[in-house]
Amino acid sequence: EAGVAQSPRYKIIEKRQSVAFWCNPISGHATLYWYQQILGQGPKLLIQFQNNGVVDDSQLPKDRFSAERLKGVDSTLKIQPAKLEDSAVYLCASTAANGETQYFGPGTRLLVL
Amino acid sequence: AQKITQTQPGMFVQEKEAVTLDCTYDTSDPSYGLFWYKQPSSGEMIFLIYQGSYDQQNATEGRYSLNFQKARKSANLVISASQLGDSAMYFCAMRERAAGNKLTFGGGTRVLVKP
Repeated sequence: EAGVAQSPRYKIIEKRQSVAFWCNPISGHATLYWYQQILGQGPKLLIQFQNNGVVDDSQLPKDRFSAERLKGVDSTLKIQPAKLEDSAVYLCASTAANGETQYFGPGTRLLVL
Repeated sequence: AQKITQTQPGMFVQEKEAVTLDCTYDTSDPSYGLFWYKQPSSGEMIFLIYQGSYDQQNATEGRYSLNFQKARKSANLVISASQLGDSAMYFCAMRERAAGNKLTFGGGTRVLVKP
């Protein structure tokens, strides 16, 4: 069974530029999560989707971050415009509809210069 | 208050020895789950083991076992017979039913296995 896929794996941009990350969850997994992991810290939830609906986006900086999961499968996370403090690893995870365990993708390492 | 606390920022362990990683948590939700993940330098979070709040027995998965002490609100991970490939960051995380199943992570413990 294929795991969670993410792309790109690495991205370097300048501040005030835009960037987008893509995630394809494990097949059949209804719930999808985006986490931000700043160096030296544990991951922090940005947004949670159940199918194509948002369950929790309370920690998403909505002035610059947006995310969508239009068909209830893959998802994109966008930052516009990026700031230096957005440098982090962005992790995508998914869970089956009645599952307990979140399975993570390899992450996208973003460096904002 | 921190929901998940990992007090050991880093530790060394000799190959083939056992190591215990500490994790304490804080919740008033009676239904919760505790997870341990391994994060090697490649960055991927690898699921290791899960303990539910209503589980009567401590979880075990191969060389990993979870020492769950509910009254003390601790969920320590024990890795037996350490291998060089166990060198990584280890994160404890909690899922609270009332919080919609999102995971709250601790700050992590870096483990370095010495040959």
